[in-house]
Amino acid sequence: DIQMTQSPSSLSASVGDRVTITCRASQGVSRNLGWFQQRPGKAPKSLIYDASNLQSGVPSRFSGSGSGTDFTLTIDSLQPEDSATYYCQHYITYPYSFGQGTKLDIK
Amino acid sequence: EVQLVESGGGLVQPGGSLRLSCAVSGFTLRDYAMDWVRQAPGRGLEWLGRTSGRYTAYYAASVRGRFTVSRDDLRNSFYLQMNSLQIDDTAMYYCARGHNSFDSWGLGTLVTVSS
Repeated sequence: DIQMTQSPSSLSASVGDRVTITCRASQGVSRNLGWFQQRPGKAPKSLIYDASNLQSGVPSRFSGSGSGTDFTLTIDSLQPEDSATYYCQHYITYPYSFGQGTKLDIK
Repeated sequence: EVQLVESGGGLVQPGGSLRLSCAVSGFTLRDYAMDWVRQAPGRGLEWLGRTSGRYTAYYAASVRGRFTVSRDDLRNSFYLQMNSLQIDDTAMYYCARGHNSFDSWGLGTLVTVSS
């Protein structure tokens, strides 16, 4: 099974900052990688699919990159509503799996 | 508008069974793979299983043999049959559409396994 590891586990940043979250797969997943945002008490929301494609309606300050085993989610010009936990997930082979999550706090 | 609405959660005793439903609208169910994902209290997301067609299903090791995913395309519904439930199956259960990763999610239904 493929394991997904995110770093950092948590971070704190200010409004207007740029932040980067990293996701590493235990084996190559090509570009079959998605990113999700989950605000407290809410359902997850898809941000990015196929490593770098933005879902419809997602602000352009979110971007993704990478392929194979190493991926990044970047949020430019942080906004207060970006306070959430972010998850990566591969979908190349079964079983699919998620990273453990990165909690982002806005100072 | 794409919508997914889960139902069927509740309190069940250890060893019991429960069937969750996911009613979909705004798209043709038979054209899409569908997934179940859960989240235990204070924990991360866990993929449980997928059906990509009427007779094709895939499962996480943690639920294989106890949980069954199924679908009724005519009723626009997707199901999760859960048997031999254990305390650590307590979680919020979400259904998701398996398109462009998991592009749409329901709000979830809470399952509590307790005596």
